[in-house]
Amino acid sequence: GAGVSQSPSNKVTEKGKDVELRCDPISGHTALYWYRQRLGQGLEFLIYFQGNSAPDKSGLPSDRFSAERTGESVSTLTIQRTQQEDSAVYLCASSLGPERETQYFGPGTRLLVL
Amino acid sequence: SQQGEEDPQALSIQEGENATMNCSYKTSINNLQWYRQNSGRGLVHLILIRSNEREKHSGRLRVTLDTSKKSSSLLITASRAADTASYFCATDRIQGAQKLVFGQGTRLTINP
Repeated sequence: GAGVSQSPSNKVTEKGKDVELRCDPISGHTALYWYRQRLGQGLEFLIYFQGNSAPDKSGLPSDRFSAERTGESVSTLTIQRTQQEDSAVYLCASSLGPERETQYFGPGTRLLVL
Repeated sequence: SQQGEEDPQALSIQEGENATMNCSYKTSINNLQWYRQNSGRGLVHLILIRSNEREKHSGRLRVTLDTSKKSSSLLITASRAADTASYFCATDRIQGAQKLVFGQGTRLTINP
């Protein structure tokens, strides 16, 4: 596709349920990032994938959060046993190379935990 | 801790005026980028300035970087209603974890 895509656009779930968010990066981009943005706040880094290297998971807020990436394509962010404080927009971005390159963002998934 | 901090948090000006937003950071960087976000969704890259550059232009945008003061400014000239958005700076630190660190953003409103 032409840009980064994310699905679903919106997700409403009940506290305690698991959710899975998907990101399709731009074809050929080796780097992929997940961020969380709470209402009116800046972006919080969650996790970074670069090629076949071990991901940088330093931003994951708890062990309820995990992410996987298949090769240099699709990534999924999983949140287990969701809590109300997990409500936020989850943004995915990709870049052609390592961190120092321009990042291209998807439209985000707006998650609401009731 | 937040690497980049934008100032002001919110700015409201009349269409046609210039808008200036500032970003301060704490540690040495390789580059600094500015992004725009409309309606709380995906960010759009505006401009990247490297640590050895002092000023860069792109259309109506002008970015300056002062590494001695660890600060950057984004100037939007002849503002338009469509410029209404949140603007974020993001820094790539030389040391430490290799990732962009975003500030809290400046909410810019252009009044017609």
